[in-house]
Amino acid sequence: GENVEQHPSTLSVQEGDSAVIKCTYSDSASNYFLWYKQELGKGPQLIIDIRSNVGEKKDQRIAVTLNKTAKHFSLHITETQPEDSAVYFCAASIRRNYQLIWGAGTKLIIKP
Amino acid sequence: GAVVSQHPSWVICKSGTSVKIECRSLDFQATTMFWYRQFPKQSLMLMATSNEGSKATYEQGVEKDKFLINHASLTLSTLTVTSAHPEDSSFYICSGGDNEQFFGPGTRLTVL
Repeated sequence: GENVEQHPSTLSVQEGDSAVIKCTYSDSASNYFLWYKQELGKGPQLIIDIRSNVGEKKDQRIAVTLNKTAKHFSLHITETQPEDSAVYFCAASIRRNYQLIWGAGTKLIIKP
Repeated sequence: GAVVSQHPSWVICKSGTSVKIECRSLDFQATTMFWYRQFPKQSLMLMATSNEGSKATYEQGVEKDKFLINHASLTLSTLTVTSAHPEDSSFYICSGGDNEQFFGPGTRLTVL
């Protein structure tokens, strides 16, 4: 079946440095790619998403890049801050508001 | 973004009892809501798709008689864990939305 692989499972970066998390998906019909941030004891919050007809999208310190040929998409966080520490999940779907296929999550630790 | 609430935020119950979790869309109408469960340090696992006015669609391996879903209105879906056992202890999260999925804050269920 469809699956999304996410790497790394844990990422520790120095405050101020950049963090990159990568996901690879298997379903070539996927057209919508999302990144969620989940803090301890809370539900996931969408931080950025991208459609398949766009290669890159940026929102302040956060960006997502998509390579449809290679079937992978990445989350880039620049100038990391302590409040960026959380678990990040990627997800893919064949369209908006449809069932999401989730990655396993990446625990991001920002070292002061 | 839109707001999804869950109640209760946490619940502790005895083995064999039933627990009802409510998921409400506060500022939008949701014909479809999704129910997930999440074990510690793991990704979200889709349990079922809740459809307003019709039966829920359950994922493979999820017992529909154990996890009863009712979506009686466009703003409320409920998940009832019947005859709960310790292995049902988990974090249950719902989501809903039109163009994108908004997640509730989750319900921590602990079965003693």
